[in-house]
Amino acid sequence: GDSVTQMEGPVTLSEEAFLTINCTYTATGYPSLFWYVQYPGEGLQLLLKATKADDKGSNKGFEATYRKETTSFHLEKGSVQVSDSAVYFCALTPGYSSASKIIFGSGTRLSIRP
Amino acid sequence: KAGVTQTPRYLIKTRGQQVTLSCSPISGHRSVSWYQQTPGQGLQFLFEYFSETQRNKGNFPGRFSGRQFSNSRSEMNVSTLELGDSALYLCASSLDEGRPTEAFFGQGTRLTVV
Repeated sequence: GDSVTQMEGPVTLSEEAFLTINCTYTATGYPSLFWYVQYPGEGLQLLLKATKADDKGSNKGFEATYRKETTSFHLEKGSVQVSDSAVYFCALTPGYSSASKIIFGSGTRLSIRP
Repeated sequence: KAGVTQTPRYLIKTRGQQVTLSCSPISGHRSVSWYQQTPGQGLQFLFEYFSETQRNKGNFPGRFSGRQFSNSRSEMNVSTLELGDSALYLCASSLDEGRPTEAFFGQGTRLTVV
């Protein structure tokens, strides 16, 4: 079945460091890919998305490119801030079903040191 | 525009009891999905309702049920509560007028079963 695999956390970085969180997927057809972020005590917020191969999603300095050849959607940011500390989820909606059925990765907890 | 509203935010119940959680979607959104979030299993899809009909269902026992009203508000019910049902329950709404569809999440209801 469809699935998402993302790097285990926690990830701890110093402020202004470069961030990469790896994400790979298995899916039938042409899924849409997402990164969601969850701040402490909150629900999920959509960070960015890409709906077809080679699309690049970007928001708040974060970027991810839909790579069909490597089935990957890695999240990157050039210079992280303390306020980026949160849990990040890579996710997909399968190409064959309702777009509202989201399959999530296990999440990566990110902590940024001042 | 108001976001997705979930009530209550916190609940404590005893094993064997039943519980009802409520979700009010963003105005105009007709699709409502429910997810269970636990430290061990991560985020898992429970079910999705669209125009008062269950359109998708995850792999949960029949103790978990839901419904959607004509105004798109949704409720989920868990009967005969078990300790393992302790989790954050998240509701998401989407417009669902075609793909790709962005899902907007509420802050969740934290259920503790004692």
